Formats: sequence, structure tokens, C-alpha cells
Amino acid sequence: GQQLNQSPQSMFIQEGEDVSMNCTSSSIFNTWLWYKQDPGEGPVLLIALYKAGELTSNGRLTAQFGITRKDSFLNISASIPSDVGIYFCAGLETSGSRLTFGEGTQLTVNP
Amino acid sequence: DAGVTQSPTHLIKTRGQQVTLRCSPKSGHDTVSWYQQALGQGPQFIFQYYEEEERQRGNFPDRFSGHQYPNYSSELNVNALLLGDSALYLCASSWGHLQETQYFGPGTRLLVL
Repeated sequence: GQQLNQSPQSMFIQEGEDVSMNCTSSSIFNTWLWYKQDPGEGPVLLIALYKAGELTSNGRLTAQFGITRKDSFLNISASIPSDVGIYFCAGLETSGSRLTFGEGTQLTVNP
Repeated sequence: DAGVTQSPTHLIKTRGQQVTLRCSPKSGHDTVSWYQQALGQGPQFIFQYYEEEERQRGNFPDRFSGHQYPNYSSELNVNALLLGDSALYLCASSWGHLQETQYFGPGTRLLVL
């Protein structure tokens, strides 16, 4: 089946720094999504991208849908302690029914 | 407006047993998807239910089965439990074709001993 390669696996940064993580796929997706998961909770949708080349922001978060439709990145600017958590990319298949997730990026923010 | 709810929150079973997990979708949602999340990994799609039928299925054996009721709530059943079935089981709900707006529940943590 399809797989998403997400990197880096983990990041340790200082409060106020910017963060960048990315996701690549061997297959094309029609939609790219970025989620955040806190301990003991389900993933929460941060940003959805629907068109190749699309750049979308949500507060301090910015994500882009790659031109090839096989990759996406997420940037977090001016990180704060509550940004701590696991970030997942996910691709939605053409049929629109199934989400394929990356393996996650564990973000730690030191105050 | 309640979000997606799942029960139980935690469960301990032994190998060979059977388990049933439950999910109530967000109000207004008619589609339920189930995911398995092993420790340190991303969620893996199990299957999706719409109009009380399994619409799509991931790469999981027949030991994993489900059901959707007329009120859109859903169950995930796993038979003949294996140690490797230990995971967080997530339910996500959405409306119709809007799968990009799936809302996830908090999950059920299953431990198989």
C-alpha cells in the first residue's frame, strides 16, 4: 500500500525558534492534511491542502502542497511550549475515503 | 455539541479473546472510519462505514470486523486477539464525501497480554 515518509522523526528546539517538517510519498494524493496529536488524545486537524502548489496558513502554521502532489511541508513559526506534541502528515486518496498517515514528528519545545 | 466519543477508554484482554470497541460520531456526521495506531507510529486505516455498510477496507485480516447502526454509531470487533493487536484504536467521523474533515475521537487503548 501507499506509504508516507515523514521527517524528521523528532525535533528538540528552543522556544521562539521556527520549525519545519516534511512528508513525501511514492504516490499522488489529491489532498494533504496536517494533524497534531497530544498524549491521550486523537489527532486534531491543523491544515488541509487541496491543490498542488497551494500555500495555506493557520496562525503561526504554514503548509504547502507540493507541485508534484507527492510531498508537503509544515512550518511553525515562533514556537511556544504548547506546540509540543506529535505532528502527522496524511494524504487522502483519490477516492476520498482513506487517509494514509506518516509516522509522525515528535516536537519538543524547551522554554 | 459533543464530538466523537469512544468507549471504553482502556481495555486489557488476553490472547485469543474477543473485543468490541464502540464509537459515537460527531452530531451531523454519517460516516465512521476506524484506525489502529501502534505505539510510536501513525494511524493505520482499518475500514470505513457509511449507510451501515463497509465502504472501504485497509490491509487488515478478517479478524477485524465492524458494524454501523442506523443512528450512525459504530462498533469495531476483533476476534482471536494477538499480542500485536495492542494499540490505540481511533474512530473518526465525517459527513458524506467530506473525508478531509474527519474528526477523531480520543481512542481506546487496548492491551493484549
